[in-house]
Amino acid sequence: NAGVTQTPKFQVLKTGQSMTLQCAQDMNHNSMYWYRQDPGMGLRLIYYSASEGTTDKGEVPNGYNVSRLNKREFSLRLESAAPSQTSVYFCASIHDRGTVTDTQYFGPGTRLTVL
Amino acid sequence: RKEVEQDPGPFNVPEGATVAFNCTYSNSASQSFFWYRQDCRKEPKLLMSVYSSGNEDGRFTAQLNRASQYISLLIRDSKLSDSATYLCVVNVGTGGFKTIFGAGTRLFVKA
Repeated sequence: NAGVTQTPKFQVLKTGQSMTLQCAQDMNHNSMYWYRQDPGMGLRLIYYSASEGTTDKGEVPNGYNVSRLNKREFSLRLESAAPSQTSVYFCASIHDRGTVTDTQYFGPGTRLTVL
Repeated sequence: RKEVEQDPGPFNVPEGATVAFNCTYSNSASQSFFWYRQDCRKEPKLLMSVYSSGNEDGRFTAQLNRASQYISLLIRDSKLSDSATYLCVVNVGTGGFKTIFGAGTRLFVKA
Protein backbone atom coordinates (compact mmCIF):
# COMPACT_ATOMS: atom_id res chain seq x y z
CA ASN A 1 0.00 0.00 0.00
CA ALA A 2 1.23 3.48 -0.88
CA GLY A 3 -0.81 5.03 1.97
CA VAL A 4 -1.51 8.69 1.30
CA THR A 5 0.07 10.27 -1.77
CA GLN A 6 0.20 13.93 -2.74
CA THR A 7 1.19 15.77 -5.89
CA PRO A 8 3.06 17.94 -6.56
CA LYS A 9 5.81 17.86 -3.92
CA PHE A 10 6.89 21.43 -4.65
CA GLN A 11 5.25 24.35 -6.42
CA VAL A 12 6.02 28.01 -6.98
CA LEU A 13 3.17 30.29 -8.05
CA LYS A 14 2.82 33.94 -8.82
CA THR A 15 0.18 35.96 -7.02
CA GLY A 16 -3.17 35.45 -8.71
CA GLN A 17 -2.38 32.11 -10.31
CA SER A 18 -4.51 29.07 -9.60
CA MET A 19 -3.60 25.48 -8.96
CA THR A 20 -4.96 22.22 -7.61
CA LEU A 21 -3.21 20.01 -5.07
CA GLN A 22 -4.01 16.34 -5.48
CA CYS A 23 -4.34 13.74 -2.73
CA ALA A 24 -5.17 10.05 -2.89
CA GLN A 25 -5.30 7.24 -0.32
CA ASP A 26 -5.47 3.51 -0.88
CA MET A 27 -6.42 2.46 2.67
CA ASN A 28 -10.20 2.55 2.07
CA HIS A 29 -10.52 5.37 4.60
CA ASN A 30 -13.78 7.25 4.85
CA SER A 31 -12.55 10.67 5.97
CA MET A 32 -9.94 12.93 4.42
CA TYR A 33 -8.42 16.25 5.48
CA TRP A 34 -6.38 19.14 4.18
CA TYR A 35 -4.07 21.00 6.56
CA ARG A 36 -1.56 23.75 6.26
CA GLN A 37 1.50 23.97 8.47
CA ASP A 38 3.26 27.23 9.18
CA PRO A 39 6.23 27.79 11.51
CA GLY A 40 5.20 28.03 15.17
CA MET A 41 1.50 27.52 14.43
CA GLY A 42 1.04 23.79 14.19
CA LEU A 43 -1.26 22.13 11.72
CA ARG A 44 -4.43 24.04 10.89
CA LEU A 45 -7.40 22.39 9.24
CA ILE A 46 -8.49 23.93 5.94
CA TYR A 47 -11.28 21.57 4.84
CA TYR A 48 -12.29 18.03 5.54
CA SER A 49 -14.51 15.39 4.01
CA ALA A 50 -16.17 13.11 6.53
CA SER A 51 -17.29 10.73 3.81
CA GLU A 52 -17.54 10.49 0.05
CA GLY A 53 -19.85 13.22 -1.23
CA THR A 54 -19.49 15.57 1.74
CA THR A 55 -17.09 18.41 2.50
CA ASP A 56 -16.93 20.90 5.37
CA LYS A 57 -14.92 23.95 6.29
CA GLY A 58 -12.21 23.77 8.87
CA GLU A 59 -10.42 26.51 10.77
CA VAL A 60 -8.89 28.40 7.81
CA PRO A 61 -10.98 27.78 4.64
CA ASN A 62 -10.80 31.23 3.04
CA GLY A 63 -9.12 31.23 -0.36
CA TYR A 64 -9.51 27.48 -0.85
CA ASN A 65 -11.99 25.04 -2.37
CA VAL A 66 -12.07 21.27 -2.23
CA SER A 67 -13.52 18.36 -4.14
CA ARG A 68 -14.01 14.84 -2.87
CA LEU A 69 -13.81 13.20 -6.25
CA ASN A 70 -14.44 9.65 -4.96
CA LYS A 71 -13.58 7.70 -1.85
CA ARG A 72 -9.87 7.70 -2.71
CA GLU A 73 -9.27 11.26 -3.87
CA PHE A 74 -9.59 14.67 -2.24
CA SER A 75 -8.25 17.74 -4.02
CA LEU A 76 -7.54 21.26 -2.79
CA ARG A 77 -7.80 24.23 -5.14
CA LEU A 78 -6.36 27.70 -4.80
CA GLU A 79 -8.34 29.91 -7.16
CA SER A 80 -6.20 33.04 -6.87
CA ALA A 81 -3.02 32.41 -4.91
CA ALA A 82 -1.78 34.99 -2.41
CA PRO A 83 1.60 35.23 -0.62
CA SER A 84 -0.21 34.43 2.66
CA GLN A 85 -0.89 30.97 1.23
CA THR A 86 2.82 30.14 1.18
CA SER A 87 2.94 27.08 3.40
CA VAL A 88 3.36 23.34 3.56
CA TYR A 89 0.12 21.52 2.77
CA PHE A 90 -0.61 18.08 4.14
CA CYS A 91 -3.39 15.74 3.20
CA ALA A 92 -4.46 13.15 5.76
CA SER A 93 -6.99 10.37 6.03
CA ILE A 94 -8.67 8.43 8.79
CA HIS A 95 -10.74 5.29 8.70
CA ASP A 96 -13.74 6.58 10.60
CA ARG A 97 -14.21 10.11 11.87
CA GLY A 98 -16.83 8.79 14.28
CA THR A 99 -14.33 6.62 16.11
CA VAL A 100 -12.56 9.01 18.45
CA THR A 101 -9.59 6.74 19.01
CA ASP A 102 -8.79 6.65 15.30
CA THR A 103 -5.56 8.33 14.19
CA GLN A 104 -4.69 10.17 11.04
CA TYR A 105 -2.28 9.10 8.31
CA PHE A 106 -0.51 11.88 6.46
CA GLY A 107 0.79 12.32 2.95
CA PRO A 108 4.33 13.61 2.33
CA GLY A 109 3.21 17.21 1.88
CA THR A 110 3.33 19.89 -0.81
CA ARG A 111 5.63 22.86 -0.31
CA LEU A 112 3.98 25.86 -1.92
CA THR A 113 5.57 29.26 -2.41
CA VAL A 114 3.52 32.18 -3.70
CA LEU A 115 5.58 35.12 -4.97
CA ARG B 1 -5.13 30.71 24.48
CA LYS B 2 -4.28 27.77 22.23
CA GLU B 3 -6.34 24.62 22.75
CA VAL B 4 -3.20 22.49 22.89
CA GLU B 5 -0.01 24.05 24.21
CA GLN B 6 3.52 22.73 24.12
CA ASP B 7 6.92 24.14 25.03
CA PRO B 8 8.43 24.83 21.58
CA GLY B 9 11.97 24.13 22.78
CA PRO B 10 14.36 23.39 21.30
CA PHE B 11 15.59 20.81 23.74
CA ASN B 12 19.27 20.07 23.20
CA VAL B 13 20.37 16.89 24.98
CA PRO B 14 23.36 14.53 24.77
CA GLU B 15 22.98 10.94 23.64
CA GLY B 16 21.84 8.73 26.49
CA ALA B 17 19.96 11.49 28.30
CA THR B 18 16.39 11.30 29.50
CA VAL B 19 14.12 14.05 28.25
CA ALA B 20 10.50 14.88 29.05
CA PHE B 21 7.97 16.87 27.05
CA ASN B 22 4.79 18.32 28.44
CA CYS B 23 1.54 19.29 26.83
CA THR B 24 -1.61 20.90 28.21
CA TYR B 25 -5.05 20.95 26.64
CA SER B 26 -7.92 23.24 27.46
CA ASN B 27 -11.04 21.48 26.15
CA SER B 28 -12.63 19.23 28.76
CA ALA B 29 -14.41 17.34 25.94
CA SER B 30 -11.06 15.95 24.81
CA GLN B 31 -11.36 12.20 24.40
CA SER B 32 -8.21 10.75 22.86
CA PHE B 33 -4.60 11.75 23.04
CA PHE B 34 -1.57 11.01 20.93
CA TRP B 35 2.05 11.88 20.36
CA TYR B 36 3.19 12.25 16.77
CA ARG B 37 6.74 12.59 15.53
CA GLN B 38 7.67 14.86 12.64
CA ASP B 39 11.10 14.75 11.05
CA CYS B 40 12.46 17.81 9.29
CA ARG B 41 10.60 18.42 6.02
CA LYS B 42 8.54 15.26 6.45
CA GLU B 43 4.98 14.44 7.38
CA PRO B 44 3.83 13.78 10.97
CA LYS B 45 3.66 10.11 11.95
CA LEU B 46 1.99 8.52 14.92
CA LEU B 47 4.46 7.74 17.69
CA MET B 48 2.04 6.45 20.29
CA SER B 49 -1.42 6.81 21.73
CA VAL B 50 -1.73 8.00 25.32
CA TYR B 51 -3.94 6.12 27.76
CA SER B 52 -5.18 7.11 31.19
CA SER B 53 -3.23 4.26 32.77
CA GLY B 54 -0.04 5.40 31.08
CA ASN B 55 1.70 3.37 28.46
CA GLU B 56 5.19 2.46 27.42
CA ASP B 57 6.74 1.53 24.11
CA GLY B 58 10.40 0.67 24.47
CA ARG B 59 12.24 3.83 25.51
CA PHE B 60 9.10 5.96 25.26
CA THR B 61 6.58 6.45 28.07
CA ALA B 62 3.41 8.51 27.75
CA GLN B 63 1.24 9.69 30.63
CA LEU B 64 -2.16 11.35 30.79
CA ASN B 65 -3.58 13.33 33.69
CA ARG B 66 -7.21 14.12 32.89
CA ALA B 67 -7.77 16.09 36.10
CA SER B 68 -4.96 18.51 35.25
CA GLN B 69 -5.53 18.23 31.48
CA TYR B 70 -1.91 17.38 30.97
CA ILE B 71 -0.03 14.90 28.79
CA SER B 72 3.62 13.97 28.93
CA LEU B 73 6.16 12.06 26.87
CA LEU B 74 9.35 10.68 28.40
CA ILE B 75 12.22 9.49 26.22
CA ARG B 76 14.90 7.46 27.96
CA ASP B 77 18.42 6.75 26.65
CA SER B 78 18.07 9.29 23.83
CA LYS B 79 19.47 8.36 20.42
CA LEU B 80 20.66 10.64 17.65
CA SER B 81 17.75 9.31 15.60
CA ASP B 82 15.28 10.70 18.16
CA SER B 83 16.02 14.22 16.88
CA ALA B 84 12.69 15.47 15.54
CA THR B 85 9.68 17.59 16.44
CA TYR B 86 7.15 15.94 18.75
CA LEU B 87 3.52 16.94 18.32
CA CYS B 88 0.90 16.61 21.01
CA VAL B 89 -2.46 15.74 19.41
CA VAL B 90 -5.93 15.67 20.93
CA ASN B 91 -9.26 14.42 19.55
CA VAL B 92 -12.12 16.50 20.91
CA GLY B 93 -15.74 15.41 21.01
CA THR B 94 -17.43 12.26 19.81
CA GLY B 95 -19.55 11.22 16.84
CA GLY B 96 -17.51 13.38 14.55
CA PHE B 97 -14.60 14.61 16.57
CA LYS B 98 -12.11 17.31 15.69
CA THR B 99 -8.37 16.89 15.95
CA ILE B 100 -6.23 19.62 17.49
CA PHE B 101 -2.47 19.63 16.96
CA GLY B 102 0.02 21.31 19.22
CA ALA B 103 2.71 23.38 17.51
CA GLY B 104 5.35 20.84 18.50
CA THR B 105 8.49 20.59 20.61
CA ARG B 106 11.82 20.34 18.83
CA LEU B 107 14.40 17.89 20.12
CA PHE B 108 18.05 17.78 19.14
CA VAL B 109 20.09 14.85 20.40
CA LYS B 110 23.84 15.38 20.09
CA ALA B 111 26.74 12.95 20.15
